[in-house]
Amino acid sequence: NAGVTQTPKFRILKIGQSMTLQCAQDMNHNYMYWYRQDPGMGLKLIYYSVGAGITDKGEVPNGYNVSRSTTEDFPLRLELAAPSQTSVYFCASSQRGNEQFFGPGTRLTVL
Amino acid sequence: RKEVEQDPGPFNVPEGATVAFNCTYSNSASQSFFWYRQDCRKEPKLLMSVYSSGNEDGRFTAQLNRASQYISLLIRDSKLSDSATYLCVVKSGSSYKLIFGSGTRLLVRP
Repeated sequence: NAGVTQTPKFRILKIGQSMTLQCAQDMNHNYMYWYRQDPGMGLKLIYYSVGAGITDKGEVPNGYNVSRSTTEDFPLRLELAAPSQTSVYFCASSQRGNEQFFGPGTRLTVL
Repeated sequence: RKEVEQDPGPFNVPEGATVAFNCTYSNSASQSFFWYRQDCRKEPKLLMSVYSSGNEDGRFTAQLNRASQYISLLIRDSKLSDSATYLCVVKSGSSYKLIFGSGTRLLVRP
């Protein structure tokens, strides 16, 4: 099993550009999450999903959108990138909402 | 007040030392508790769950004090490989969300 995979690993965006961060898991987990982690800070929840077709906002959803059309995939869309969105983005999944398994992260810089 | 608070450290200890971290949480309805480990520039990984009766996994011991709303992690006989950031994590009741502390950084020196 690959676990949780994320692409790309690194990306530099210009202000105002858009992009989609990809996340996939092969563990048949129902729950999936997107976090951002700023330097020296804790993880902040952006969006989460409890199953295909069901998504909900987390602590810091502004500037992001998600969709969950399949159990495996949970892409995060950034529209109109801003410097404040420079961060490391982690995707995670869990079976029953307890232990979460994380992907390796995407390092995003907005200039 | 943050939902989960940790001393950011760093804790700088020699190999073989015993080190303890504490974490406090604000929501008395919290039901599940965990310690995650995060290496530099890597993703967090579950270290251990924390049970009401306390639990031990090798050199690691976790304790929960519900009355005072704090969780502790004790590491005995520290190894160089223990150098990492330790995240205190809390889950409230039936919520599907985990609340992560900002982490405590541990540096183990030779």
